[in-house]
Amino acid sequence: DGGITQSPKYLFRKEGQNVTLSCEQNLNHDAMYWYRQDPGQGLRLIYYSQIVNDFQKGDIAEGYSVSREKKESFPLTVTSAQKNPTAFYLCASTQTVRGVLEAFFGQGTRLTVV
Amino acid sequence: QKEVEQNSGPLSVPEGAIASLNCTYSDRGSQSFFWYRQYSGKSPELIMFIYSNGDKEDGRFTAQLNKASQYVSLLIRDSQPSDSATYLCAGGGGGADGLTFGKGTHLIIQP
Repeated sequence: DGGITQSPKYLFRKEGQNVTLSCEQNLNHDAMYWYRQDPGQGLRLIYYSQIVNDFQKGDIAEGYSVSREKKESFPLTVTSAQKNPTAFYLCASTQTVRGVLEAFFGQGTRLTVV
Repeated sequence: QKEVEQNSGPLSVPEGAIASLNCTYSDRGSQSFFWYRQYSGKSPELIMFIYSNGDKEDGRFTAQLNKASQYVSLLIRDSQPSDSATYLCAGGGGGADGLTFGKGTHLIIQP
């Protein structure tokens, strides 16, 4: 079955460490996205990528980095420059089919700084 | 700046009644609108999407879109306690930057 896989489900980071969250999709979607969700808040866009080897900053890109070397993979690195990284991270992919935008989400990664 | 506005709630509805969730959006270029349900600590799950003016029904759920008023709503008929969750409204398709989400409405169905 096609879908998006995020790993790990839970991740703990020490102060000053970089960590990388994985996102893989087998939907053959061109566009992929990373969102962050804080308690009681909606989803805020961190980075997005429309095609391989290209990506754009979203609303809250500071302290994060991404790569898009393969169509199916869009890993997110939370760097030590991100001062408050504890949050729920969601990866998504989209495709426009017959003029309608379809969106799919992974199951999320909960990151906690210890 | 594209914005999607929702009342954060909580919205409390008796079991069996109709729950009405509302959303407004600022980007007139948005073409597709989505309603997601999210249980605490879980990923959002798609309930419905709508891209044409009017109503779209799926089981107990009805999505309504009014592009002239930039307004989207979700009606849940015969509300069940299991419908208690946060409902996220999102719009997209107006640009290359994916979906813009509202902050969500917390719905509580009282048994």
